[in-house]
Amino acid sequence: SQQGEEDPQALSIQEGENATMNCSYKTSINNLQWYRQNSGRGLVHLILIRSNEREKHSGRLRVTLDTSKKSSSLLITASRAADTASYFCALRDTGRRALTFGSGTRLQVQP
Amino acid sequence: DVKVTQSSRYLVKRTGEKVFLECVQDMDHENMFWYRQDPGLGLRLIYFSYDVKMKEKGDIPEGYSVSREKKERFSLILESASTNQTSMYLCASSPNTAGANVLTFGAGSRLTVL
Repeated sequence: SQQGEEDPQALSIQEGENATMNCSYKTSINNLQWYRQNSGRGLVHLILIRSNEREKHSGRLRVTLDTSKKSSSLLITASRAADTASYFCALRDTGRRALTFGSGTRLQVQP
Repeated sequence: DVKVTQSSRYLVKRTGEKVFLECVQDMDHENMFWYRQDPGLGLRLIYFSYDVKMKEKGDIPEGYSVSREKKERFSLILESASTNQTSMYLCASSPNTAGANVLTFGAGSRLTVL
C-alpha cells in the first residue's frame, strides 16, 4: 500500500506565524485526511478532503488537494503554543478499506 | 463522543510471553483497526476488522493475530513476544467502510518487550 510522504519532518515557528505542512502520494485516492497527535497520545481527526474537492477550511485550518500533482497541504494560521504536536496525513486508496498514514510532521510553536 | 478505550497504557513483557492488547469502542462502529507506531515510520496497519469475526491482514501482520468476538471489542494478540515488537500500539474504529472512514483513536498502549 502506498504511504503519504510528509514534508518537512520537523517545523519550528513562533506563536502567531502560519505553519504549512505538505503531503505527497503516488496513486489514486478516495479521500485524504489530516490528524493531529499530542506527545504520547492517540491521534485526533482534524479535517477530510475528498478527491473531487480542491480546498477546505475548518477554523484556523486550511487544506488543499491537488490530485494532478498528487499532493496536499495543511495550513495552520495564527499558530498557538497549543498547536505543538505531530501532524499526519492519511490516505484512503481507492479500493482499499483502511487508511495508510505518513510519518508525520513535528510542529513546535514557540511562545 | 465516540470513545475508544485501550486497556493498558504501558506494558512490560518478556520475550516469548503471550501478550493481549484489548480495545473497546462504545459507538457501535463496524470497523476496528490496530496500528503500530515507531519513530520515523509513522503508523503501520497490522490488522483490521470490518465486522464481528471478520478480519483482514494489514501491511505488517507477521507475529500478530486478532480476535473480534463482539462488535465493540477488538483484541491484538502477540503469540510469542519479541523485542522487535516493542512499540506504541494504537487502536482505532470507524463507522463504515463505504463512507469516509474517519478514524477515532484510543490513547495508545506502549509495549516494551525485554
